[in-house]
Amino acid sequence: AQSVTQLGSHVSVSEGALVLLRCNYSSSVPPYLFWYVQYPNQGLQLLLKYTTGATLVKGINGFEAEFKKSETSFHLTKPSAHMSDAAEYFCAVSSGGSNYKLTFGKGTLLTVNP
Amino acid sequence: DAGVIQSPRHEVTEMGQEVTLRCKPISGHDYLFWYRQTMMRGLELLIYFNNNVPIDDSGMPEDRFSAKMPNASFSTLKIQPSEPRDSAVYFCASSNLGSEPYNEQFFGPGTRLTVL
Repeated sequence: AQSVTQLGSHVSVSEGALVLLRCNYSSSVPPYLFWYVQYPNQGLQLLLKYTTGATLVKGINGFEAEFKKSETSFHLTKPSAHMSDAAEYFCAVSSGGSNYKLTFGKGTLLTVNP
Repeated sequence: DAGVIQSPRHEVTEMGQEVTLRCKPISGHDYLFWYRQTMMRGLELLIYFNNNVPIDDSGMPEDRFSAKMPNASFSTLKIQPSEPRDSAVYFCASSNLGSEPYNEQFFGPGTRLTVL
């Protein structure tokens, strides 16, 4: 079985500060990992994903994440927060193969203060 | 492309009533997913279809829930009878997965269901 733990249900940063959203996963096979973002009253939108290869993955809007197998982590970062980054962020895992199911974390609400 | 379309966007009903949620996936996508989002349980996969055929419905909470996909451009999620604990946001997502399970799932805007 696969699972995702997002540490911190709410993270608050100042505009221009580093954003760090934490995600740890559990998977019995090499995972595929995803970060999705949800703006208020909207569906989820893919930010970035890790499948194979380079462990540092770059996504949209200046976000990136690093897959660390030894730590079973896939933390999301952005060097400088913008007001428009305020949203809820979800980490998700898929075990791949014939399994098309995504298992999502509980989400982290990011607040950006002016 | 218009993206994934869901209707209605909001639904308020009384306990015991039948509720039908509708989804139109992105044209050409071969997978369709139904999710439920609540504060307590987060985002849960209820069921998914491949080429209109239900593949995994292990997330459907009870027999009160049923889902159909009569053709490639339409799916429904039905709750009968509805209960207050069914109150949630229901998302439909579609994807062109083929043999690549890491392809992006595109989410609709969701239906916010309130059962009184």
